[in-house]
Amino acid sequence: GQNIDQPTEMTATEGAIVQINCTYQTSGFNGLFWYQQHAGEAPTFLSYNVLDGLEEKGRFSSFLSRSKGYSYLLLKELQMKDSASYLCAVRPTSSNTGKLIFGQGTTLQVKP
Amino acid sequence: DTGVSQDPRHKITKRGQNVTFRCDPISEHNRLYWYRQTLGQGPEFLTYFQNEAQLEKSRLLSDRFSAERPKGSFSTLEIQRTEQGDSAMYLCASSPPAGRAFDTQYFGPGTRLTVL
Repeated sequence: GQNIDQPTEMTATEGAIVQINCTYQTSGFNGLFWYQQHAGEAPTFLSYNVLDGLEEKGRFSSFLSRSKGYSYLLLKELQMKDSASYLCAVRPTSSNTGKLIFGQGTTLQVKP
Repeated sequence: DTGVSQDPRHKITKRGQNVTFRCDPISEHNRLYWYRQTLGQGPEFLTYFQNEAQLEKSRLLSDRFSAERPKGSFSTLEIQRTEQGDSAMYLCASSPPAGRAFDTQYFGPGTRLTVL
């Protein structure tokens, strides 16, 4: 089966750093994606990992360990606008259509 | 290009009625996906089109659901005899042809369906 786990909720302080973890068990692996979704809006693409290691993009970084089935999204210098849901998604190789399997999302609340 | 668009943004209907949603993908994106998202959950895959061909359907897509992409551009998702359990956000996403740098899926704003 396909299973992606991430914490349901997290709270952090403006200006701080927060790490959102994601573990996955899927039928094969062909990439892991992180999306940001503000309430009532569409998911927007943040990052993509297909090889082990860290990908950095401004205040956002994403890490992948394929052997551990583990990824994290690191958000630095948190801003109030970062309050949103963060979705971890895996593209399994069991399908050649590129469909994504999503976790339930982590709701991040940034407090002043 | 303004991204993926969906219409309508909101739909309220009575149980038993039929509804149809439209998705216009980013131009030159030949791959199109439909997902369903309920409150507090991540999106769940429903179906996939490559050009006009529907190549994969989730078992979530019951016989009451049908999707088309007749000319390989826009797509429609129809739900017949709606049930209260169909209430959800229906998201459309598109991506460029496979083999590009990485075929990230870009999502539309979604259609929120409420079945009374």
